[in-house]
Amino acid sequence: ETGVTQSPTHLIKTRGQQVTLRCSSQSGHNTVSWYQQALGQGPQFIFQYYREEENGRGNFPPRFSGLQFPNYSSELNVNALELDDSAVYLCASRSSGPGDIQYFGAGTRLSVL
Amino acid sequence: GDSVTQMEGPVTLSEEAFLTINCTYTATGYPSLFWYVQYPGEGLQLLLKATKADDKGSNKGFEATYRKETTSFHLEKGSVQVSDSAVYFCALSGEGFKTIFGAGTRLFVKA
Repeated sequence: ETGVTQSPTHLIKTRGQQVTLRCSSQSGHNTVSWYQQALGQGPQFIFQYYREEENGRGNFPPRFSGLQFPNYSSELNVNALELDDSAVYLCASRSSGPGDIQYFGAGTRLSVL
Repeated sequence: GDSVTQMEGPVTLSEEAFLTINCTYTATGYPSLFWYVQYPGEGLQLLLKATKADDKGSNKGFEATYRKETTSFHLEKGSVQVSDSAVYFCALSGEGFKTIFGAGTRLFVKA
């Protein structure tokens, strides 16, 4: 148990739809990162939030957006879904510095048809 | 930009065999290095870490040494068990904030 929970576990959407994924961080962690893990690949960094502000972004288009709330829970929103968005989306939380341990949730598997 | 390259799998070993999974990295500055493990049906778990050159991370019989001169962080275990079957990811976290992962190496251990 990492203390990081994600919901839903699995969902199916069709191309063009919008989706919201949720993450509850481990207690005391003020930094959350989101990753996309395509089948058979390593996780790819999407973005990071620190104290409700985005402070880093990977090579993902603007239709990937996020929010972090005062209680440090967070959301990942994806608009105009494409088939290639099918992947497992991972949330990870940590307390502060880049060398600190990240704790990962079990992920949300998104299938886009 | 920063990157991580690890050996392709799958790697298939018999129980009690010696394991090496190679990992090399490219980064500016002095990144922290990690090995994560993903067991079937589970999320990513940190296996071990090293934050500076010549540090050795170790956990559950696994070891990896941060080699700055060869930009490597190879994972080793002296005697693998069936329960070690999983996907192993090498990763780095640099002066920025994101963690960069390798593509993963799947390990199968036969009884």
